[in-house]
Amino acid sequence: DAGVIQSPRHEVTEMGQEVTLRCKPISGHDYLFWYRQTMMRGLELLIYFNNNVPIDDSGMPEDRFSAKMPNASFSTLKIQPSEPRDSAVYFCASSGTGGHEQFFGPGTRLTVL
Amino acid sequence: ELKVEQNPLFLSMQEGKNYTIYCNYSTTSDRLYWYRQDPGKSLESLFVLLSNGAVKQEGRLMASLDTKARLSTLHITAAVHDLSATYFCAAPPRAVYSGGGADGLTFGKGTHLIIQP
Repeated sequence: DAGVIQSPRHEVTEMGQEVTLRCKPISGHDYLFWYRQTMMRGLELLIYFNNNVPIDDSGMPEDRFSAKMPNASFSTLKIQPSEPRDSAVYFCASSGTGGHEQFFGPGTRLTVL
Repeated sequence: ELKVEQNPLFLSMQEGKNYTIYCNYSTTSDRLYWYRQDPGKSLESLFVLLSNGAVKQEGRLMASLDTKARLSTLHITAAVHDLSATYFCAAPPRAVYSGGGADGLTFGKGTHLIIQP
């Protein structure tokens, strides 16, 4: 069974550019989560979806960040325009009905110059 | 606002010793999660504790949950070098509602564990 898939694994971009991170959850899972990890702030929840519907986006830092889940097998996290302080590792996780265990993807390491 | 506090944040210990990592959280959550992260890697789920008094063991690691005290512990028995990693606890903001369901997690800062031969 494939786990959570994220792409790209590494992204280096310049300030002001648009960045799109992608996630494919585990097949059959109906919850999808986006987290961000930095040295300063640790692991933070950004947003999560249930059955493709955003449930809690209170962790999204500002309007530059947006997330979508057009279908059960795909989600995107977009940053426009990107800033150096957005540099972090972005993790996607998914969970099945019952929602107990969250399985994390390999992460996308984003560097904004 | 949910707070999850781990201690210690850094632990250096020798192989063969026992030690406990503590995780305090501030809400009425009845679930607690433990994860392991190796440098440069993702998070690996270790334990999901779903009720008061829950105890789970895997190899040299044992986790427990006391929802009344809002405390979880991760106990390491006879540590070996391979257990060197950062360990995170995480909690959802509230007790699970009827019918189950997931929730976003708030993570502690992590305990950086080094086990020396």
